[in-house]
Amino acid sequence: DAGVIQSPRHEVTEMGQEVTLRCKPISGHNSLFWYRQTMMRGLELLIYFNNNVPIDDSGMPEDRFSAKMPNASFSTLKIQPSEPRDSAVYFCASSHSGSGTDTQYFGPGTRLTVL
Amino acid sequence: DQQVKQNSPSLSVQEGRISILNCDYTNSMFDYFLWYKKYPAEGPTFLISISSIKDKNEDGRFTVFLNKSAKHLSLHIVPSQPGDSAVYFCAASHTGRRALTFGSGTRLQVQP
Repeated sequence: DAGVIQSPRHEVTEMGQEVTLRCKPISGHNSLFWYRQTMMRGLELLIYFNNNVPIDDSGMPEDRFSAKMPNASFSTLKIQPSEPRDSAVYFCASSHSGSGTDTQYFGPGTRLTVL
Repeated sequence: DQQVKQNSPSLSVQEGRISILNCDYTNSMFDYFLWYKKYPAEGPTFLISISSIKDKNEDGRFTVFLNKSAKHLSLHIVPSQPGDSAVYFCAASHTGRRALTFGSGTRLQVQP
């Protein structure tokens, strides 16, 4: 079975540019999570969706960040305009909520570098 | 405010011996706990979990213990193998908020 798929794996961009990260969750999973990993703050939640609806976006840093889930098999995280402090590894994870275990399975991550 | 803490940034053990990784939490609402293993340039890989209604869960070489009164959990790996060398993250969630709260990780090195 295919796991969580993220693209691109690496992204290097210049400050001020728009960045779009993409995620395809595991088929049949109805919850999707975006996390960010930095040296200073570790792994932290940005936003999560349940049945394509945003449930908790309290971790989204500011208005420059936005996330969408137009259907059950695709989500995007957009940063516009990007800043050097956005440099991090961004992970997408999915789970089947309601299963009683809510184990989240992670994608390989997108390493973002903003120059 | 760190709700999940892993106070040991690193641990080194000999192959064949037991590895014990520790995790403390402060939020009494947490009811589900997980351990993830992470290799460089990869996403976290689920290892083992435990619900708050249990105090132990075992899966092969991996056992997780939960002490609710102390708000403490630990992961035991027996016997340790060189392939277990990775960063281990403790994570927790609760019914009202299924997003995971992670600890800072412990880097385990298993010496051949």
